[in-house]
Amino acid sequence: AQSVTQLGSHVSVSEGALVLLRCNYSSSVPPYLFWYVQYPNQGLQLLLKYTSAATLVKGINGFEAEFKKSETSFHLTKPSAHMSDAAEYFCAVSEPNDYKLSFGAGTTVTVRA
Amino acid sequence: EAQVTQNPRYLITVTGKKLTVTCSQNMNHEYMSWYRQDPGLGLRQIYYSMNVEVTDKGDVPEGYKVSRKEKRNFPLILESPSPNQTSLYFCASMGQPYEQYFGPGTRLTVT
Repeated sequence: AQSVTQLGSHVSVSEGALVLLRCNYSSSVPPYLFWYVQYPNQGLQLLLKYTSAATLVKGINGFEAEFKKSETSFHLTKPSAHMSDAAEYFCAVSEPNDYKLSFGAGTTVTVRA
Repeated sequence: EAQVTQNPRYLITVTGKKLTVTCSQNMNHEYMSWYRQDPGLGLRQIYYSMNVEVTDKGDVPEGYKVSRKEKRNFPLILESPSPNQTSLYFCASMGQPYEQYFGPGTRLTVT
């Protein structure tokens, strides 16, 4: 069974600063990993996914994440935060051949002007 | 426009009164699922469907039913809602493998 831990339920960054959201997973097999973003009163939108190709994955809106098997991590970064990045971010994992997503608890990002 | 729609978006009901939340997708996807979102718990899968007439339980199926009679529709049924089913519900469908599209959510309050 797989599980996901997101470190920090709230992150506050200044506009223009680095955004770093941490995600660690546990899985009995090499997993597929995802980051989703949820804007207020909206559904979830896929930011990026790792499915066993390149370990550094680029997504939409300038986000990227790196899969590190030795650390069982899939941290999300963006070099320069924008006010529009304020949202809740979810890390999720699934096992190959199992489409179910197991989500972390989420991290809320606020961006200070 | 490719989308997943849910209705209603907001619902307040009383304990024991049967309700149905509809979900429809226009992308001809085979895989659909329902999740509930609760603070501090992220999203948890309730039920999923691999295709028409094929459904199975997710992690938190108790108190819920689903049906899949047409590919585009996947309604969530609460036969006898209870207050612990107060939550935010999301329907999702999957296009490319492992890329799930989420609906806008249904906020349910059971009093």
